[in-house]
Amino acid sequence: GNSVTQMEGPVTLSEEAFLTINCTYTATGYPSLFWYVQYPGEGLQLLLKATKADDKGSNKGFEATYRKETTSFHLEKGSVQVSDSAVYFCALRNRGGATNKLIFGTGTLLAVQP
Amino acid sequence: DVKVTQSSRYLVKRTGEKVFLECVQDMDHENMFWYRQDPGLGLRLIYFSYDVKMKEKGDIPEGYSVSREKKERFSLILESASTNQTSMYLCASGGSPSTDTQYFGPGTRLTVL
Repeated sequence: GNSVTQMEGPVTLSEEAFLTINCTYTATGYPSLFWYVQYPGEGLQLLLKATKADDKGSNKGFEATYRKETTSFHLEKGSVQVSDSAVYFCALRNRGGATNKLIFGTGTLLAVQP
Repeated sequence: DVKVTQSSRYLVKRTGEKVFLECVQDMDHENMFWYRQDPGLGLRLIYFSYDVKMKEKGDIPEGYSVSREKKERFSLILESASTNQTSMYLCASGGSPSTDTQYFGPGTRLTVL
């Protein structure tokens, strides 16, 4: 079946540190891949996405590259800020069909300290 | 601007009560979803709807039902609330073939005593 595995948190970093949150997936076919972010007290919002192999999604300084050969979609940011403190969810969607159900990872809490 | 609203941010109910959680979207999306979010488990799909009066079970439908009488509104019903349904409930819309993204509401933190 389809599944997403992401690194367990919490991840604690100092401001301006480099961030990597690992995400690997198992899927039949060719899924679309997403990173969602949940800031404290809020719902999830889309951070970035990639729909095919070798695509790179980017937004707000975050990047992730769809790697089919390693079935990975790791999230990176070169210099984190305190305002990036949030829970990050990796997700996949298998295309096809009338609805596009998302399969989520368990989430990774990022805490950035000044 | 895209908007998904949920009827309550916080809710406290007693065991055995019938609970209604409502979600409204203003984007004319066909698809709507209800998830629950628990620490260490991520988001799990309870039910989704791909059209008015249409619904399908997600991964954890037991103890829940849903209603979609109008396109913009999707309700989650706990027929007889139990303490193990204490959780954060998130509604989302979108995710159709033409709308790749799901848009989430702010969530309802439900506590069942």
